[in-house]
Amino acid sequence: DIQMTQSPSSLSASVGDRVTITCRASQSISRYLNWYQEKPGKAPKLLIYAASTLQSGVPSRFSGSGSGTDFTLTISSLQPEDFASYYCQQSYSTFTFGPGTKVDIK
Amino acid sequence: EVQLVQSGVEVKKPGESLKISCKGSGFSFSSYWIGWVRQMPGKGLEWMGIIWPDNSDTTYSPSFQGRVTISADKSISTAYLQWSSLKASDTATYYCARRDYGLSDAFDIWGQGTMVTVSS
Repeated sequence: DIQMTQSPSSLSASVGDRVTITCRASQSISRYLNWYQEKPGKAPKLLIYAASTLQSGVPSRFSGSGSGTDFTLTISSLQPEDFASYYCQQSYSTFTFGPGTKVDIK
Repeated sequence: EVQLVQSGVEVKKPGESLKISCKGSGFSFSSYWIGWVRQMPGKGLEWMGIIWPDNSDTTYSPSFQGRVTISADKSISTAYLQWSSLKASDTATYYCARRDYGLSDAFDIWGQGTMVTVSS
């Protein structure tokens, strides 16, 4: 099975900050890496697929990069509605989610 | 509108059986894999398994193999997740989600979640 790790597990940031979350796979997954945002009481929402492609309707302040085993999600200027948890997911071999990163208000 | 609508809140006792549902609309249900994802209270997302409704081809996560059964009825565009004997540790919110090949196999449409509480 492919294992996924994320760092940090949580972070505190202010509106306007640049935020970067890292995701690492236990083996190469090419670019089969997706990012989701989850807010309390709501279903997860797809933000980015194929490592760097923005899902329709997602603000351009979100971006993704990476390939192979190392990936990043960047929020260029954090907005109030971005305080949430973020999960990476590999879809190279079945599916595995990362443990998540909680972004809260500093 | 493309959507997945799940069945409502469930409160059950240990040892009871349960079947929850996920109904698709606005797309060709038989042409997409439908997955199930567990989220235990305060925890992260766990992929449980996935089904191709057209022929009910199913793949389970090793962590859930033998613990749950995933099925589908393509005639009514509905996927199911069921337990034969619930445990307290099955308390969680369960999501169904559509896998899209065109989006790197990402889960692009999610149901609203079904909260299951198992308690004596």
